[in-house]
Amino acid sequence: AIQMTQSPSSLSASVGDRVTITCRASQGIGNDLGWYQQKPGKAPKVLIYAASRLQSGVPSRFSGSGSGSDFTLTISSLQPEDSATYFCLHDYTYPWTFGQGTRVEIK
Amino acid sequence: QVQLVQSGAEVKKPGASVTVSCRTSGYTFTSYWIHWMRQTPGEGLEWMGIINPSGGSTDYAQKFQGRVTMTRDTSTSTVYMELRSLRSEDTAVYYCARRVVGFSTSVYFDSWGQGTLVTVSS
Repeated sequence: AIQMTQSPSSLSASVGDRVTITCRASQGIGNDLGWYQQKPGKAPKVLIYAASRLQSGVPSRFSGSGSGSDFTLTISSLQPEDSATYFCLHDYTYPWTFGQGTRVEIK
Repeated sequence: QVQLVQSGAEVKKPGASVTVSCRTSGYTFTSYWIHWMRQTPGEGLEWMGIINPSGGSTDYAQKFQGRVTMTRDTSTSTVYMELRSLRSEDTAVYYCARRVVGFSTSVYFDSWGQGTLVTVSS
């Protein structure tokens, strides 16, 4: 199975900061990667799919980049409501696998 | 609107089986594959498998092969996930999610169930 290594595991940043989260796949996956946001007690919600496609309704401060094995989720200006855990998920081949998650805290 | 509503929390003893249901509405049931995931504090999110509601075909993660069965009932637009031979490590929140095809055949989950907590304890 393809392993997804996500970093950092947690971060603390101030409102307005630029935040970057990375995922590395153990093999090339093209652009078959999505980013999801999860708040406590809730199901995950898609932010980005196909590595860089912004899901409808998601604020434009979220962006994704990368292809092959290295991917990045960027929040250009962190907002209080962005406090959550973020996961990457590859959909290249079964089994799909998730990154371990990045907990984002607002200072 | 699209909704996936899962069955309620379960408490099971080791060795038992559990069946979690995922009742869908707001769209054509047979047009979208449903995936199952689970989430634990230790392992994070794990992909368990998929079912194609149209023909009922399935694909399971090797980790769960032989212990999991996913089925569907087209008359009620419901999918089911049965996990057998439960052990304490199966204690988790289980999710169903709808897979959609986006730009240029890219896929992602656009709707999720609310999650079902399964606790395995003697």
